[in-house]
Amino acid sequence: GAVVSQHPSRVICKSGTSVKIECRSLDFQATTMFWYRQFPKQSLMLMATSNEGSKATYEQGVEKDKFLINHASLTLSTLTVTSAHPEDSSFYICSARGRQAVSYNEQFFGPGTRLTVL
Amino acid sequence: SQELEQSPQSLIVQEGKNLTINCTSSKTLYGLYWYKQKYGEGLIFLMMLQKGGEEKSHEKITAKLDEKKQQSSLHITASQPSHAGIYLCGADAGTASKLTFGTGTRLQVTL
Repeated sequence: GAVVSQHPSRVICKSGTSVKIECRSLDFQATTMFWYRQFPKQSLMLMATSNEGSKATYEQGVEKDKFLINHASLTLSTLTVTSAHPEDSSFYICSARGRQAVSYNEQFFGPGTRLTVL
Repeated sequence: SQELEQSPQSLIVQEGKNLTINCTSSKTLYGLYWYKQKYGEGLIFLMMLQKGGEEKSHEKITAKLDEKKQQSSLHITASQPSHAGIYLCGADAGTASKLTFGTGTRLQVTL
């Protein structure tokens, strides 16, 4: 099956620093990658959609200057949380969709990254 | 925008019992996905439904999409501790290339 990895799985950083999270599709080419945020006991909230080689599309209310997304290759997308603050602490999950998707919205999810900002 | 409401929000069942989780959409569903999530982990794909009236089963889990394509149910037969987790439905509204997720149902299975 299609495998998506995320790195790191956990990260703790100081307020004001930037953190980069990587999302990789290991055995397929991901034409589209999605970044989600999940608060405790809540559902997934889509932050942005990125297509390889183009700028990410951000959902309403998500600051694109704060959450920088780069999808430079068909197997890698990165999310950089700039000048992180404690309220940015959350569980970040990425997903990827490939060319061979059974349905248009078939997505494969990474294991998530837990970010804690002190 | 499309909204998905799941019920119940949480559920505690005794091992061996059956249970049903519902997912109701505010709009017609073009594709309905069921996922399972263990706490602090990613999502595991369970099933996808597209056609009204469609029903799919995998091991002890059965999912249905109603004829009007605005509600789906997930039924677990003879629940086991391994079924514990958060169940999320995700919907494709058909007009945008993204999924909207439901509010989630937290399942606990007691011995």
